[in-house]
Amino acid sequence: EVLLVESGGGLVQPGGSLRLACAASGFTFSSYWMYWVRQAPGKGLVSVSRINGDGRTTNYADSVKGRFTISRDNAKNTLYLQLNSLSAEDTAVYYCAKSRGNAFDIWGQGTMVIVSS
Amino acid sequence: IQLTQSPSSLSASVGDRVTITCRASQGISSDLAWYQQKPGKAPKLLIHAVSTLQSGVPSRFSGGGSGTDFTLTISSLQPEDFATYYCQHFNSYPFTFGGGTKVEIK
Repeated sequence: EVLLVESGGGLVQPGGSLRLACAASGFTFSSYWMYWVRQAPGKGLVSVSRINGDGRTTNYADSVKGRFTISRDNAKNTLYLQLNSLSAEDTAVYYCAKSRGNAFDIWGQGTMVIVSS
Repeated sequence: IQLTQSPSSLSASVGDRVTITCRASQGISSDLAWYQQKPGKAPKLLIHAVSTLQSGVPSRFSGGGSGTDFTLTISSLQPEDFATYYCQHFNSYPFTFGGGTKVEIK
């Protein structure tokens, strides 16, 4: 079964940091671009970052550039998102997703990040 | 590239035909997908490449359009179809989503 399982979310103070992880199984992880998408409470979906199969190419949304870092460990079949300098605007459910090239065909269940003092 | 969905919400009855529109701010060829999201759940891929149904998705769902204007149609709304629907383009990163269309029970 193809599966993505996120972890690492939680409550963090403004200015704090958090590291999210996404464990993949059931497919050749290193062959696919992987993505992070977030959804603020009651709001729509927003692309956050992406990384190619060998980890050498990364892209970020302007709203997180310089604060978030995407990475992957293909030996562990795991995707990461390092979140730094967090603000209330970063409060959201964070999903990892696998790309089939022209769509996100597999999504994780999401992990909630709450930025609050 | 911005995607504008309309309507933002609609009320419909079981058995109704429902059409949701997604308009792109510039041409995106056939690089468009549709997702369904139910409360508290991750989005689920319905359609990719404008009109190709993802495996396992019922045939009452269909997609169409080209260039900048696209549609998602549910031919006969079923109780399990009440959800929020999003379009997403894959033309150039960031692959933005539309604002969503919430389909509610009338």
